[in-house]
Amino acid sequence: AQSVTQLGSHVSVSEGALVLLRCNYSSSVPPYLFWYVQYPNQGLQLLLKYTSAATLVKGINGFEAEFKKSETSFHLTKPSAHMSDAAEYFCAVNEGGTSYGKLTFGQGTILTVHP
Amino acid sequence: GAGVSQSPRYKVTKRGQDVALRCDPISGHVSLYWYRQALGQGPEFLTYFNYEAQQDKSGLPNDRFSAERPEGSISTLTIQRTEQRDSAMYRCASSPWTGYEQYFGPGTRLTVT
Repeated sequence: AQSVTQLGSHVSVSEGALVLLRCNYSSSVPPYLFWYVQYPNQGLQLLLKYTSAATLVKGINGFEAEFKKSETSFHLTKPSAHMSDAAEYFCAVNEGGTSYGKLTFGQGTILTVHP
Repeated sequence: GAGVSQSPRYKVTKRGQDVALRCDPISGHVSLYWYRQALGQGPEFLTYFNYEAQQDKSGLPNDRFSAERPEGSISTLTIQRTEQRDSAMYRCASSPWTGYEQYFGPGTRLTVT
């Protein structure tokens, strides 16, 4: 069974600082991996996805993530935080096979950005 | 174009009542998914459809929960004899086909009193 662990339920950074949100997964096969962002009172919005092409994936709003198979990680980064990045971020995995339609999500990380 | 829509956005019901939550996917999307999200948690898979066929209902917690998508477009998630533990955000998503990224609606916040 697959699972997703997001280290740190809350992360706080200063505006302009590096953002690093951690995600580790367990999967018996190479998965598809996703990062979603959730703003208050809105639906989940896809930031980026890894689908077995390039291991460094660029997404919207300046975010990127790197798939590291040896570490079973898919950490999300942004070089310089902006106030508008404050939101909740979810990492998700799709293992494929018989679970092809199912996304398994981590518990989320709330990002706070201080002026 | 229009995204995934869900109605109602908020639903308060008394314990023991039945509720029906509606999802209208992005036009042309074959796959439709339902998730449940408790406060402070990530979404948890319930079930999904390709066209009108329910492909996987392994996440439905018990037989009080059911879902249908009779014409391959709009879907309804029904909870019978609601209980307080059913209170959560219910999210719907759609995708062009299974395995593509999923596009989420705003959710329905269900409160059972």
